[in-house]
Amino acid sequence: DTAVSQTPKYLVTQMGNDKSIKCEQNLGHDTMYWYKQDSKKFLKIMFSYNNKELIINETVPNRFSPKSPDKAHLNLHINSLELGDSAVYFCASSHSALQGPDTQYFGPGTRLTVL
Amino acid sequence: QKEVEQNSGPLSVPEGAIASLNCTYSDRGSQSFFWYRQYSGKSPELIMFIYSNGDKEDGRFTAQLNKASQYVSLLIRDSQPSDSATYLCAVKSRPSAAGNKLTFGGGTRVLVKP
Repeated sequence: DTAVSQTPKYLVTQMGNDKSIKCEQNLGHDTMYWYKQDSKKFLKIMFSYNNKELIINETVPNRFSPKSPDKAHLNLHINSLELGDSAVYFCASSHSALQGPDTQYFGPGTRLTVL
Repeated sequence: QKEVEQNSGPLSVPEGAIASLNCTYSDRGSQSFFWYRQYSGKSPELIMFIYSNGDKEDGRFTAQLNKASQYVSLLIRDSQPSDSATYLCAVKSRPSAAGNKLTFGGGTRVLVKP
């Protein structure tokens, strides 16, 4: 009965590889997000989708490409991984991007380590 | 200047005392303000949100908002060792086509000592 789930939980890979992280929410929310939390614990928005439409696209290298096959799923594909990509990536969802305080609920995170 | 600023701490509090956490933000048009708690190695979880000036209480937690001073705070009464965590302040920007963008502060680490 997990609300926001992510796979994998841990990802260890070599520089230059391509990897994907998957996220699913069963809350019936319209909006999903990807955040990056670096070693200094700063949590920063990367992307947001509302009903499969990209609405937030922060300054992120174009090696990062989000994809939302439906409003319950949001995946993140990363090409040509670099050492600086090592971080914890959190998926989140909220009821609706454009209304009210609209609380965001976070998944458990994916710890990516690039060697 | 960072958009959302918090003292990184650690804020050391004796068990049973009040922990007081502060957060300032730069965008005067900000609409809603959130406090999240994050235990080490875990994901952020919402404690409470506030969007009107004044105080909002939920159990042992009280959020205080002063939009004129661009300041939001969180009080934790009767602090327990289980309250030891990093507390993240998050600010929702004014409505725009970009939707519900949350900007997070760097967090304040709280240590409650028995």
